[in-house]
Amino acid sequence: KAGVTQTPRYLIKTRGQQVTLSCSPISGHRSVSWYQQTPGQGLQFLFEYFSETQRNKGNFPGRFSGRQFSNSRSEMNVSTLELGDSALYLCASSYDRGIYEQYFGPGTRLTVT
Amino acid sequence: DAKTTQPNSMESNEEEPVHLPCNHSTISGTDYIHWYRQLPSQGPEYVIHGLTSNVNNRMASLAIAEDRKSSTLILHRATLRDAAVYYCIPSQGGSEKLVFGKGTKLTVNP
Repeated sequence: KAGVTQTPRYLIKTRGQQVTLSCSPISGHRSVSWYQQTPGQGLQFLFEYFSETQRNKGNFPGRFSGRQFSNSRSEMNVSTLELGDSALYLCASSYDRGIYEQYFGPGTRLTVT
Repeated sequence: DAKTTQPNSMESNEEEPVHLPCNHSTISGTDYIHWYRQLPSQGPEYVIHGLTSNVNNRMASLAIAEDRKSSTLILHRATLRDAAVYYCIPSQGGSEKLVFGKGTKLTVNP
């Protein structure tokens, strides 16, 4: 079975631009979560989607948004990029909501200049 | 969210057992205890989880204290590939939100 895939793997953007990151979960997995990882703050939960609905949200500004499609693929969008948004963005999928292990992708490394 | 305390770092020799402790004294009765690890330049990887009883899988064992205020992840024979940051995460049943702390950086010496 293919693992979680994220595209692109690396991205460089300029302050003020917006960016869209994509995540394809493991086949059959219906829940997708997003995390941000920075050296200063570590791994932080952004949001979780299940059945095309956002079920849980972390403490991030409204510039961070996401969506999930009917095939469980998910995208996250960051608008009006700031230097502090430079981070590794990780997507994780799990079979269902509840006590199921989450499988993480390799991440998208976003650099904002 | 329950707070966790883990050693910042630990060191082990290859092929020796490793016991990684975690204190989660504010854990609620319905929180499961999850362990994930993150190898260098990779996303986190699920290791094991449990509620009250000790658990074993092909990667590791999880020993949970009777009062559930602490747990220990046991790697029976450390390999170089086990060098990673290990995170202990109490998580509510039904919630997909994992709250990662700073974790324990495990170094495995050949």
